[in-house]
Amino acid sequence: RKEVEQDPGPFNVPEGATVAFNCTYSNSASQSFFWYRQDCRKEPKLLMSVYSSGNEDGRFTAQLNRASQYISLLIRDSKLSDSATYLCVVNSNDYKLSFGAGTTVTVRA
Amino acid sequence: IAGITQAPTSQILAAGRRMTLRCTQDMRHNAMYWYRQDLGLGLRLIHYSNTAGTTGKGEVPDGYSVSRANTDDFPLTLASAVPSQTSVYFCASSDSWADTQYFGPGTRLTVL
Repeated sequence: RKEVEQDPGPFNVPEGATVAFNCTYSNSASQSFFWYRQDCRKEPKLLMSVYSSGNEDGRFTAQLNRASQYISLLIRDSKLSDSATYLCVVNSNDYKLSFGAGTTVTVRA
Repeated sequence: IAGITQAPTSQILAAGRRMTLRCTQDMRHNAMYWYRQDLGLGLRLIHYSNTAGTTGKGEVPDGYSVSRANTDDFPLTLASAVPSQTSVYFCASSDSWADTQYFGPGTRLTVL
């Protein structure tokens, strides 16, 4: 079983729509969780960290469900510029982070 | 401008040749990492270094070696390149293993 699994999508949504997707992780001892964004095979960049109580950053909301071992990302009022691949990142042991393969979101006009 | 630089941007290499990918950061981060990214597989850790002078093996270390002589530089060497090493290689750094990782722009390597 992969340490981090994501629905690859693509999620194809119109501008202004809400889109949400999850990521599951296998290590119940994981402590750090992040969402990264990657555009067209450019370098990944941190979108937001995910905290136990859930957190928002503008139109983006991240949630953590430890019991079911998943994290989620919700994007409200989607913009064309939100089109990207979103990478779920989880720490899997004491030296590295594990990256999901990514969920592709395409926002259309 | 603070950040991570990688060189070369892209390279086409004959199988069997030796190649070193360069990575330099100016953020004084303790930890540095090398990943490869292949379609459908996501980022896979090749080698890492938690601090200058130490290195460790990641998920896919075979065929690669690294060194960390100082804080800023973390070169990745392919001793004898093979076609399966065709990939996009990203270098990253962070304050510590659990902190946000900052990535370089990547090196697109093709081994023929």
